[in-house]
Amino acid sequence: KAGVTQTPRYLIKTRGQQVTLSCSPISGHRSVSWYQQTPGQGLQFLFEYFSETQRNKGNFPGRFSGRQFSNSRSEMNVSTLELGDSALYLCASSLAIPVYNEQFFGPGTRLTVL
Amino acid sequence: QKEVEQNSGPLSVPEGAIASLNCTYSDRVSQSFFWYRQYSGKSPELIMSIYSNGDKEDGRFTAQLNKASQYVSLLIRDSQPSDSATYLCAVNMPRDDKIIFGKGTRLHILP
Repeated sequence: KAGVTQTPRYLIKTRGQQVTLSCSPISGHRSVSWYQQTPGQGLQFLFEYFSETQRNKGNFPGRFSGRQFSNSRSEMNVSTLELGDSALYLCASSLAIPVYNEQFFGPGTRLTVL
Repeated sequence: QKEVEQNSGPLSVPEGAIASLNCTYSDRVSQSFFWYRQYSGKSPELIMSIYSNGDKEDGRFTAQLNKASQYVSLLIRDSQPSDSATYLCAVNMPRDDKIIFGKGTRLHILP
């Protein structure tokens, strides 16, 4: 069974631009969560989707948004990029809601904002 | 009090010895506990999940859960240089409907 895939793997953007990241979960998994990882803050929760509905959201500004499609694929968007948005963005897939289920991470998208 | 706490390390362990990684959590009603391994520049990889008090063994790895004391640990027997990585503890917080990750412990196995 294929694992979680994320595209693109690397991105370089400049301040003020916007970016869209994509995640395809493991086949049959209905939940997708997004995390931001930086050396100083560790893994920070962005949002969680289950069956196309956002179930939960972390403490990030409204510039960060996401959605999930009927095939469980998910996208996240960051508008008006700031230097501090440089990070590894990770998508995690789980069979059902992750509070009680194992999550499996994709390889991540490394975003650099110049 | 931080929700999930881990010693940042680095924890240095000789090859062949037992590495012991600890994690404490703040929510008494937490029920799901996960250990991830993350190599430098890579994404986290799930290595163990535990839901009940006691020990759970999988190969060289043993997870130990003590809900009364609110800690979960990971033991790695016969440590190998390939075990050198950052180990992340994740705990569910049912009241907030979230999984919270600790900041990880860097483990260094000395050849």
